[in-house]
Amino acid sequence: SQTIHQWPATLVQPVGSPLSLECTVEGTSNPNLYWYRQAAGRGLQLLFYSVGIGQISSEVPQNLSASRPQDRQFILSSKKLLLSDSGFYLCAWSPGGSGGTNEKLFFGSGTQLSVL
Amino acid sequence: KQEVTQIPAALSVPEGENLVLNCSFTDSAIYNLQWFRQDPGKGLTSLLLIQSSQREQTSGRLNASLDKSSGRSTLYIAASQPGDSATYLCAVNRDSGYALNFGKGTSLLVTP
Repeated sequence: SQTIHQWPATLVQPVGSPLSLECTVEGTSNPNLYWYRQAAGRGLQLLFYSVGIGQISSEVPQNLSASRPQDRQFILSSKKLLLSDSGFYLCAWSPGGSGGTNEKLFFGSGTQLSVL
Repeated sequence: KQEVTQIPAALSVPEGENLVLNCSFTDSAIYNLQWFRQDPGKGLTSLLLIQSSQREQTSGRLNASLDKSSGRSTLYIAASQPGDSATYLCAVNRDSGYALNFGKGTSLLVTP
């Protein structure tokens, strides 16, 4: 069966510090991978998605970047965090090769990021 | 731009009641719609996925319906239990692309 791992679960970082959140998927190959952010009082917002190694698409301009160095690894990064980067970050995957999310989306357990 | 609205924002019911959660979307040209469950501080769990050509999907005590023309979906929970307490979110895939438009969710509390 497929599993998705996301870490750390919580993170407190000072403004201006770097960020690296990691997500890995097991039990499947060539998944579509996603980073979402859930801010307090707002809906989930798609930040990045990837359909293959080294292929990253950004949905919104921001202070963050994403990379996919391996087939089942997705990393969210920032060189200098802003206060506005605080939120709940969720990694997700869906079966690849089917063109878009016409399959169910499976989420990790999330990372609560507080930038102080 | 696709707007997804969920009403009510919060709901409290006694155990055993049947209940309906509502989701509406502004652009009826959707590809599919998913209902998710989120427990506090946790990730989302996909409950049901309805393709645009379908009218409903069922899983156990859950039934989701889709009326594309009116821009509405409902999630019906039968015989609610305290374990059903969570936030329920609906999300619309607008064009077979990769971005889902999420509603802000309905926070459900089922009291014993």
